[in-house]
Formats: sequence, C-alpha cells, structure tokens
Amino acid sequence: KNQVEQSPQSLIILEGKNCTLQCNYTVSPFSNLRWYKQDTGRGPVSLTIMTFSENTKSNGRYTATLDADTKQSSLHITASQLSDSASYICVVSDRGSTLGRLYFGRGTQLTVWP
Amino acid sequence: EADIYQTPRYLVIGTGKKITLECSQTMGHDKMYWYQQDPGMELHLIHYSYGVNSTEKGDLSSESTVSRIRTEHFPLTLESARPSHTSQYLCASSPRAGGLYGELFFGEGSRLTVL
Repeated sequence: KNQVEQSPQSLIILEGKNCTLQCNYTVSPFSNLRWYKQDTGRGPVSLTIMTFSENTKSNGRYTATLDADTKQSSLHITASQLSDSASYICVVSDRGSTLGRLYFGRGTQLTVWP
Repeated sequence: EADIYQTPRYLVIGTGKKITLECSQTMGHDKMYWYQQDPGMELHLIHYSYGVNSTEKGDLSSESTVSRIRTEHFPLTLESARPSHTSQYLCASSPRAGGLYGELFFGEGSRLTVL
C-alpha cells in the first residue's frame, strides 16, 4: 500500500534553533517528492521538489534531502524564525500510468517560540 | 504568490442548505483540483479536472459535484449540506507541464461548518 509517513507529528523549538522533519514513503514507482508549507488558515505552498536523481536541494534556510534507496526524505530548517511556525507536508507523486497520483503525509506541525 | 482565489473563506450554514464554493485562478492552468482537509489529517482529493468540460471524481467519495465551464473557474456544489460535510475545502491548480501533477498552487481554503 502506497503511504507517506511524517514524523514527528508536532515539534516545538526556540527561535534561532535548527530542526529536521522526516518523511518516509512506500510509494512505488516514484516520480518526485515535494515539501509544502501550510500556514494556519492558508493553503499549502511548495518549498522544494526532489526527483529520483537528486540528493539535496536548498531553498534559503530550508534544505531537503532524499534517499531514494531507503525511501526517506528530510527537511532541515536552519536558524528558525517565528514565521516558520506552520504545518510542513510531504507529498509523493508516482509514475503510474498517465494519470499519476499524489500521496500526502499528515504533516508535521512546527511551532517556533521566541 | 499564487493567483488562485476561493470564496467564501468561512461559511456556517444549516443542514439541508445548498452551497457553492467558488474557485478561480488567473494563471491559465489547465488542471484544477478540490481537496478536503480535516485537522491533523492528510489532504484527500475529491474532484479534479483536466480542462474545460472535463471533471473526474477523486479518491475520497464525496456528495459534492463540480463543473468546469471556463478554464479559470471550478466551483464545487453541495446540494444538501450535512454536519458530516463540515471541513476545510482547498482548491488547487497546476500547469500542463510536469505531468498531471506538477506543482500545486492552492487557494486559501473555504472552511465550511454545517450545523
């Protein structure tokens, strides 16, 4: 069964600290993996996309990694800011047929305290 | 910032009422989607469209219906709302490039409460 599991479910850190969010998936065949950030009361916004051949990709203070062999991805946030408080959602796309499918994780709720 | 708009943002209605959630995008995207999101749960696809006059049901069974008469407009309708329809509804669009599921651009959501 194709699934996307994220951990931890929630995380509280102090402003300025680093953190790492995890995403494990069983989706096969694999096309790409995206991390989205969803602020409270808003729609998700794409942070980064990882394809099969990519190991690391950065977007400002956000760095995503992908290990396609172990089917794991992480999102590392450096020097956290209050505005980083949000839900971070891992989304995996398969390559099955022309329709394709998206598999969503339940998200990690990050709270950054001053 | 994505140019996709949803109205209303918040709606509280009584059981049995008919409601339409509006979604419009100005990016010229062919593909549009409706997702349902409950707290702490993953997004569930309820409807999608490849283009004008094309609509399909998603993974999650829904009593809602959609239409796609214009590229930019993808409204969702509930003929008779029930408390079980209480949820957050997110509209999204994506460009043709990148397969069926390129980057999704989401609206800000419509939070529906049925009393």
